[in-house]
Amino acid sequence: SAVISQKPSRDICQRGTSLTIQCQVDSQVTMMFWYRQQPGQSLTLIATANQGSEATYESGFVIDKFPISRPNLTFSTLTVSNMSPEDSSIYLCSVRGQGYTEAFFGQGTRLTVV
Amino acid sequence: QQQVKQSPQSLIVQKGGISIINCAYENTAFDYFPWYQQFPGKGPALLIAIRPDVSEKKEGRFTISFNKSAKQFSLHIMDSQPGDSATYFCAAPDISNTGKLIFGQGTTLQVKP
Repeated sequence: SAVISQKPSRDICQRGTSLTIQCQVDSQVTMMFWYRQQPGQSLTLIATANQGSEATYESGFVIDKFPISRPNLTFSTLTVSNMSPEDSSIYLCSVRGQGYTEAFFGQGTRLTVV
Repeated sequence: QQQVKQSPQSLIVQKGGISIINCAYENTAFDYFPWYQQFPGKGPALLIAIRPDVSEKKEGRFTISFNKSAKQFSLHIMDSQPGDSATYFCAAPDISNTGKLIFGQGTTLQVKP
């Protein structure tokens, strides 16, 4: 299984500011995804991070709010921009290897916007 | 919008009992169907997964049963232990066959000593 490191693990941010979350994997992976998990809720896919090109966003999520980078096969960032209290959630990075192998998750970033 | 319906929402089981969680999916790609276990403050951890060409997979106390015709799959936890108390999520592959997973709503399991 892949080892996924997410940073920061938690943060408290002021509304109107932005936070960039990093996801580092210990091996090259084909697919990287970003999910949001609101308190007590299930996981909702934000976008697929594509290496070397623009991310593919799910309905309800836009690039201006959640810009994503993926410069190589082991690293991605998610930025939560112009934050409001409604953005308070856990943000999770997930990876899958070639051939649609199992999907693994990082430990998540717990974001609180005040 | 593609959905995965998970039940029950919460479950209380006595130590040593059997915990059963069910999921029903709509049209999906046929990739694999995983179950995740999540403890408070942690990311989801892959518990067990099944490929759709088999009807059952067992790993220790955990068993997945898969019914392709009924579009259902379930997780059975045998000899449930207090350490199994967590939230469990099922997932199904998105019909786009792009590797994305669609998650169920989650089941909070409490195993009483």
